[in-house]
Amino acid sequence: NAGVTQTPKFQVLKTGQSMTLQCAQDMNHNSMYWYRQDPGMGLRLIYYSASEGTTDKGEVPNGYNVSRLNKREFSLRLESAAPSQTSVYFCASIGLEGLPKNIQYFGAGTRLSVL
Amino acid sequence: KQEVTQIPAALSVPEGENLVLNCSFTDSAIYNLQWFRQDPGKGLTSLLLIQSSQREQTSGRLNASLDKSSGRSTLYIAASQPGDSATYLCAVNAGKSTFGDGTTLTVKP
Repeated sequence: NAGVTQTPKFQVLKTGQSMTLQCAQDMNHNSMYWYRQDPGMGLRLIYYSASEGTTDKGEVPNGYNVSRLNKREFSLRLESAAPSQTSVYFCASIGLEGLPKNIQYFGAGTRLSVL
Repeated sequence: KQEVTQIPAALSVPEGENLVLNCSFTDSAIYNLQWFRQDPGKGLTSLLLIQSSQREQTSGRLNASLDKSSGRSTLYIAASQPGDSATYLCAVNAGKSTFGDGTTLTVKP
């Protein structure tokens, strides 16, 4: 059981380039999340998807787009990367069924540097 | 807007000591509170989750308490070990999660 899988693990981009961060979970969870983690600013929610077919903005959505491709996959896209988007990105999912409920599971993260 | 504060930001203790990490939040309308551990360069691992109706949860040497009315949670670690060295984060969940900045714990052998 892999849990939450993120790809790639590392990425270096030049300013203006685009890329998509992939996330997949195999726990049949309805809700999925994208966070960024920056020193001194903690984890901040970028976008989330409460269920397949729905997405909503979090605290810091500007410069990002998301797609909930199906129940398993939730991708994060940077259309035109900026140095301010240098960060560690985490994907997470929550299961509302079964026990224990409402525990967030995290992927290992993607370290992104924008030069 | 929910704000989550963790004190202290860093803590260094000798091996074997019992210790308490603190988490406070401003809005008591929460579904649950979750404690995580994060090792350097790694993702977050869930330690304990306390539902809003619960007062505490225990797992091995860890005990987490929740006082929703005062907006506080504590994570108690008994008989600390060097392997406990990590950053501990609390997250308050009310539909969306709000995280504290974490407490970085160092347990010295």
